[in-house]
Amino acid sequence: ILNVEQSPQSLHVQEGDSTNFTCSFPSSNFYALHWYRWETAKSPEALFVMTLNGDEKKKGRISATLNTKEGYSYLYIKGSQPEDSATYLCAFLDGSSNTGKLIFGQGTTLQVKP
Amino acid sequence: DAGVIQSPRHEVTEMGQEVTLRCKPISGHNSLFWYRQTMMRGLELLIYFNNNVPIDDSGMPEDRFSAKMPNASFSTLKIQPSEPRDSAVYFCASSSRQGLSGANVLTFGAGSRLTVL
Repeated sequence: ILNVEQSPQSLHVQEGDSTNFTCSFPSSNFYALHWYRWETAKSPEALFVMTLNGDEKKKGRISATLNTKEGYSYLYIKGSQPEDSATYLCAFLDGSSNTGKLIFGQGTTLQVKP
Repeated sequence: DAGVIQSPRHEVTEMGQEVTLRCKPISGHNSLFWYRQTMMRGLELLIYFNNNVPIDDSGMPEDRFSAKMPNASFSTLKIQPSEPRDSAVYFCASSSRQGLSGANVLTFGAGSRLTVL
């Protein structure tokens, strides 16, 4: 069974704080890692797709890094704003199955207080 | 493009009734996924189609659940008979890549919230 773990489960920060959270995934048979942002009452939307060890992606104040050898990815938010409040999901694409099945973590729910 | 379209958005039914959830993927996308979201288990993959063919249904909970994709623009997820523990939000997602040939970024529908009394 492939396990994708995210931590922390939830996070409360003040507006302006910078924050980061972790996604752990199997280090063997890595193909890709996805990050999705899921706002309440909406559906998940893709943030990043990362495929190479050492990849670093950035979109505005949000960035992500990838370490495939040790099986983790960090998502960073600089200067959090209330509109960043959402659940952030990572998803692992296993290269051994050849089916393209994405395994999601449980998510980190971020609440940014004004 | 209207995105991935799911119906109904909300359904309340009684235990034992048949439930059919529908999904229209983005035109041109050849992979379609059904996920279920619950508080306990998060987002779990139920079944996955490539070019209308079911590839992996290992996540389908039991025989009460079935899914079909008769053509590239339509899929159904059926629960018969439904039980209270099936209450969840069911998401459909589509992707333009199949297998490992690409990044497989998913576009999700708005979800169907099912309540079984």
